[in-house]
Amino acid sequence: DTGVSQDPRHKITKRGQNVTFRCDPISEHNRLYWYRQTLGQGPEFLTYFQNEAQLEKSRLLSDRFSAERPKGSFSTLEIQRTEQGDSAMYLCATPGGAWDEQYFGPGTRLTVT
Amino acid sequence: AQSVAQPEDQVNVAEGNPLTVKCTYSVSGNPYLFWYVQYPNRGLQFLLKYITGDNLVKGSYGFEAEFNKSQTSFHLKKPSALVSDSALYFCAVRGSRSGTYKYIFGTGTRLKVLA
Repeated sequence: DTGVSQDPRHKITKRGQNVTFRCDPISEHNRLYWYRQTLGQGPEFLTYFQNEAQLEKSRLLSDRFSAERPKGSFSTLEIQRTEQGDSAMYLCATPGGAWDEQYFGPGTRLTVT
Repeated sequence: AQSVAQPEDQVNVAEGNPLTVKCTYSVSGNPYLFWYVQYPNRGLQFLLKYITGDNLVKGSYGFEAEFNKSQTSFHLKKPSALVSDSALYFCAVRGSRSGTYKYIFGTGTRLKVLA
């Protein structure tokens, strides 16, 4: 257990529906990343927060994706009008520790039917 | 543009033998390099990182990695493999320039250690 929690762990939704995921990072970590991982691939960068400021967002993301970190603590990732291609594991990570290593949460597995 | 290549989808090695998992990278400026491991049904775990200094970096579980600037490589090594090392290994890179936040991960290499 890295101390990073994500909710829900699994989400099944129908195409066209909106979904929202939550990440609760380690409390003293002020930086937060979201990634997407599909089968057979490594984590793909989605977005980065420092406190409540979203400092970088992948150009690969369409406008259907949005992320927030309103108080610099937990973060949410919303996907609007889901498509089958959105099916993936969505990971949250917070850097910290002596080596600035990333602590990954367990992920939210999204299945779009 | 930043990129990471892990040329081997799978590496098989006998228990007790040395192992190497290969990684090459491309990044503007000096790189920050990482290795992570993913065990079945578990999250990604940090193994080791290179920032600067000695080219040979030691990390968790007896793993080490060698940074080679001329070959832009950061291969993961272990002198004697254990069956319990069987897992999926990811190399990652981030540029060190100010304002660079994005980490790029490779596609992963599945390590299988045979008893």
